[in-house]
Amino acid sequence: ILNVEQSPQSLHVQEGDSTNFTCSFPSSNFYALHWYRWETAKSPEALFVMTLNGDEKKKGRISATLNTKEGYSYLYIKGSQPEDSATYLCASSTGGGNKLTFGTGTQLKVEL
Amino acid sequence: GAVVSQHPSRVICKSGTSVKIECRSLDFQATTMFWYRQFPKQSLMLMATSNEGSKATYEQGVEKDKFLINHASLTLSTLTVTSAHPEDSSFYICSARERGARVYGYTFGSGTRLTVV
Repeated sequence: ILNVEQSPQSLHVQEGDSTNFTCSFPSSNFYALHWYRWETAKSPEALFVMTLNGDEKKKGRISATLNTKEGYSYLYIKGSQPEDSATYLCASSTGGGNKLTFGTGTQLKVEL
Repeated sequence: GAVVSQHPSRVICKSGTSVKIECRSLDFQATTMFWYRQFPKQSLMLMATSNEGSKATYEQGVEKDKFLINHASLTLSTLTVTSAHPEDSSFYICSARERGARVYGYTFGSGTRLTVV
């Protein structure tokens, strides 16, 4: 994998559903993997930064895992709420970690 | 928490004119500022990286004479799109890294939608 890829591109779920997204990234020279939550007309909000293979992080109903050997990360949302509706971006950095390479994002819409 | 204020949020300009976009770090000193561009249905693409008091480093394919970046102070960085053309219409967003922050601490502005007519 040369670029950062996210799937699915968009997702519609019902309130209360649990969901997950995938981020694939180049595993060579890996430094860190970032997840952001981005609501329209607002600034991207940092959710997680992960660096270690096997790392798992949690923030409320949202959690993420990291596999640096195979180059993927999963973001999970448990019991989705309408306020979770946003675009979820992942970005990886390599080498010294200065530059972020972003995926195109997963657009989540949670319906009542 | 750290906040980056980006202005304007939207701008429409005539072809051939220049547009300046500002990013200010409100409660921290931003030693490094990153400028990104996003075309429809594409990812955020890094255009350039600037460190306070020094010249910006541009990514391959980004014209430095067209996209002028100034980072003269620790709280302000500007991107000027010179002689704008319709193909420069895009979404521009900045990201700042705080002085002394761990290398992976980034704070984003809210972006500027530029339309060149």
